[in-house]
Amino acid sequence: EVQLVQSGAEVKKPGATVKISCKVSGYTFTDYYIHWVQQAPGKGLEWMGLVDPEDGETIYAEKFQGRVTITADTSTDTAYMELTSLRSEDTAVYYCATRGGGYWGQGTLVTVSS
Amino acid sequence: EIVMTQSPATLSVSPGERVTLSCRASQSVSSNLAWYQQKPGQAPRLLIFGASTRATGIPARFSGSGSGTEFTLTISSLQSEDFAVYYCQQYNNWPLTFGGGTKVEIK
Repeated sequence: EVQLVQSGAEVKKPGATVKISCKVSGYTFTDYYIHWVQQAPGKGLEWMGLVDPEDGETIYAEKFQGRVTITADTSTDTAYMELTSLRSEDTAVYYCATRGGGYWGQGTLVTVSS
Repeated sequence: EIVMTQSPATLSVSPGERVTLSCRASQSVSSNLAWYQQKPGQAPRLLIFGASTRATGIPARFSGSGSGTEFTLTISSLQSEDFAVYYCQQYNNWPLTFGGGTKVEIK
């Protein structure tokens, strides 16, 4: 069974950095991209970027370029999304997803508040 | 980037009715179009990929059509569990982009 299990909720102050993990199981980690998607409260879905776990190559959405880093650790079958210089507008649920969007993590709520 | 526009924003429907949701791309995405369903507090669920192929386990009442810039998701007979928000997403070009969503609510 394919599973993506994300790390728990985070509360951060403006200007801080958050790093969320996404541990996968049930398939070969290096066979599929891992995507990250942001969903602000009551809003739609916004694609942030992806990592190819096979070679670590990344593609980022322009909106997040410079603030986001997505990585993959093949030794633990875990992907990470780090977002820096947090601001209130980054308060959102962050999802990892893979296999063409067929499998998603449960989401991680990040709250940015002073 | 390719802008995905969904209409209507909200649809009020009675159970058993046929529902048609629209998605338009600002430029051609070929058939590289997916549809997702999202219920409150849950992650999105893939319904359709390749514009018209149902994902594993998706009931036959869901169907997708279209290519290029115009796409449609049809629910042939709306069930109570289908009340949700539906998103289209293009994966023809980077960045991947989603539509703003259509909320299907009980009439």
